[in-house]
Amino acid sequence: KNEVEQSPQNLTAQEGEFITINCSYSVGISALHWLQQHPGGGIVSLFMLSSGKKKHGRLIATINIQEKHSSLHITASHPRDSAVYICAVKDDMRFGAGTRLTVKP
Amino acid sequence: DSGVTQTPKHLITATGQRVTLRCSPRSGDLSVYWYQQSLDQGLQFLIQYYNGEERAKGNILERFSAQQFPDLHSELNLSSLELGDSALYFCASSPGVTGQPQHFGDGTRLSIL
Repeated sequence: KNEVEQSPQNLTAQEGEFITINCSYSVGISALHWLQQHPGGGIVSLFMLSSGKKKHGRLIATINIQEKHSSLHITASHPRDSAVYICAVKDDMRFGAGTRLTVKP
Repeated sequence: DSGVTQTPKHLITATGQRVTLRCSPRSGDLSVYWYQQSLDQGLQFLIQYYNGEERAKGNILERFSAQQFPDLHSELNLSSLELGDSALYFCASSPGVTGQPQHFGDGTRLSIL
């Protein structure tokens, strides 16, 4: 079984700050998902990546397959980015516990 | 709007009962995934169907079963319900069998009294 760990569990930032959320896993994988869960409960798939880096707007996701580690970065954070961010290992569909991000104006 | 429709949005029932949750995937998507999200265990993968066939199985209890119909909608049946089954149940869909981002429905909140 793949153990998926996220850090930090909770993160509070001021608007405009650069945010980094980390995800580590214990067994080699083929791809990893980053999900965003809004306060209302809805889930949006942000990225699926198997190598390198992907960018969408102010969001950047990176993965290092050798080090079994992925990061999600948010540039110029905004209060509307407040959500729970969850990483998920594609191969056996295991999820991290999530990082609750609060961005204050 | 993800294009994935889940019904009902909320369900309240009692222990020992049986319920059926329904999911209509995004148009054109052949894969349907079911997930359970509880407060103490986070998100867990239950089961995946692709074009009517079971494709992958996760932490799905024997009291739970699912199927995907010819029109590609899927149902998750939960029986002999226990208090611990109270959770948000999400359905997601994707075009292919693997390797693609999933689109999530809004979830069904199940409360067992």
